[in-house]
Amino acid sequence: GAVVSQHPSWVICKSGTSVKIECRSLDFQATTMFWYRQFPKQSLMLMATSNEGSKATYEQGVEKDKFLINHASLTLSTLTVTSAHPEDSSFYICSARWREDTQYFGPGTRLTVL
Amino acid sequence: KQEVTQIPAALSVPEGENLVLNCSFTDSAIYNLQWFRQDPGKGLTSLLLIQSSQREQTSGRLNASLDKSSGRSTLYIAASQPGDSATYLCAVPLGGGSGSRLTFGEGTQLTVNP
Repeated sequence: GAVVSQHPSWVICKSGTSVKIECRSLDFQATTMFWYRQFPKQSLMLMATSNEGSKATYEQGVEKDKFLINHASLTLSTLTVTSAHPEDSSFYICSARWREDTQYFGPGTRLTVL
Repeated sequence: KQEVTQIPAALSVPEGENLVLNCSFTDSAIYNLQWFRQDPGKGLTSLLLIQSSQREQTSGRLNASLDKSSGRSTLYIAASQPGDSATYLCAVPLGGGSGSRLTFGEGTQLTVNP
């Protein structure tokens, strides 16, 4: 299957700082990528749909000013957690759509906010 | 609103046992249903995808069934092995194929004891 990478795999930051997470489709172009977050012992919750060349579409309850998404190229989407707080600590997973019925998931990024 | 539920939340079995994981969804108008595996601190690995027109799909020791009318799917694992220990998630697309936004169940954490 196709490969999706995320960078960094884990990050620790101080409260109030901003953190950028990258999601890359390594061997295919993805006009659409998705960002999910996962709290311990819980399932994945969709945060937003990232569309290349246009604004992201956020799910209800997700603060768009706090979770900035940029999909500047067909192989890269970035999620920036602005002014991070401890409650933002979570596992963030991206996926990239390859075709209508297929999306590939990245390995995830563990964010810890102190 | 589509809701996906998985039972049991956790399951511990001795090696060699056959087991069944359950997934139910509230809106039966699904395009397909997908089963994933997630190892601790890792991303998702797709196991099986069942289209709405199909009743079951098989891959090795795994067999997934789908009953749209009752809103249920099961994942059957034959002759379980310690390497099968992981969290198993089912997911349905919110619209269109599996390249669309996905709604996940809470997952079943499986432990296979040697």
